[in-house]
Amino acid sequence: DTEVTQTPKHLVMGMTNKKSLKCEQHMGHRAMYWYKQKAKKPPELMFVYSYEKLSINESVPSRFSPECPNSSLLNLHLHALQPEDSALYLCASSGASGDYGYTFGSGTRLTVV
Amino acid sequence: RKEVEQDPGPFNVPEGATVAFNCTYSNSASQSFFWYRQDCRKEPKLLMSVYSSGNEDGRFTAQLNRASQYISLLIRDSKLSDSATYLCVVKDTGRRALTFGSGTRLQVQP
Repeated sequence: DTEVTQTPKHLVMGMTNKKSLKCEQHMGHRAMYWYKQKAKKPPELMFVYSYEKLSINESVPSRFSPECPNSSLLNLHLHALQPEDSALYLCASSGASGDYGYTFGSGTRLTVV
Repeated sequence: RKEVEQDPGPFNVPEGATVAFNCTYSNSASQSFFWYRQDCRKEPKLLMSVYSSGNEDGRFTAQLNRASQYISLLIRDSKLSDSATYLCVVKDTGRRALTFGSGTRLQVQP
């Protein structure tokens, strides 16, 4: 079983809703990531947190708002999404350098209606 | 030019076959290399890291050629359970993020 836990596993939301995706890791990792994956495409980086500070934002629209309350938790707050934002949202964690690869959570499958 | 390029496949092979996947990367400063496996509607899982000296894990062998900026994965004695998408992944020096190739789909047939 994965050591990176994401909730919920599935989410359907309307374009006016506000929802949050949650990610928790107990691996002692100091870097955490949000990736977005569309069908038949590779994961695309959204955000990187290192030591609880945002270090990379890949020009993600402001309707996606990340938050890292502590070294084990990572949230992604969603507001006013569009249907094209429907995708698999993957959280991952790694050691500080990321040189040894990431561990991914099982993802949240988001549908925006 | 894509940062990490892979043949998308699909590769359809019979059980017991040997299959090889190739990958090229564009940034010569890339420092860490991986193969991930992703099953349909699941998360990517680390299959193996790739080292300059080449490395082997059971039926899987990975090779890295830094001069040619080329990475390979060889799977021997293919099993039905090897059917998945194989993602070539690169980490650049100083950037704390992985870049994924588009993946190569493998279908092992009985």
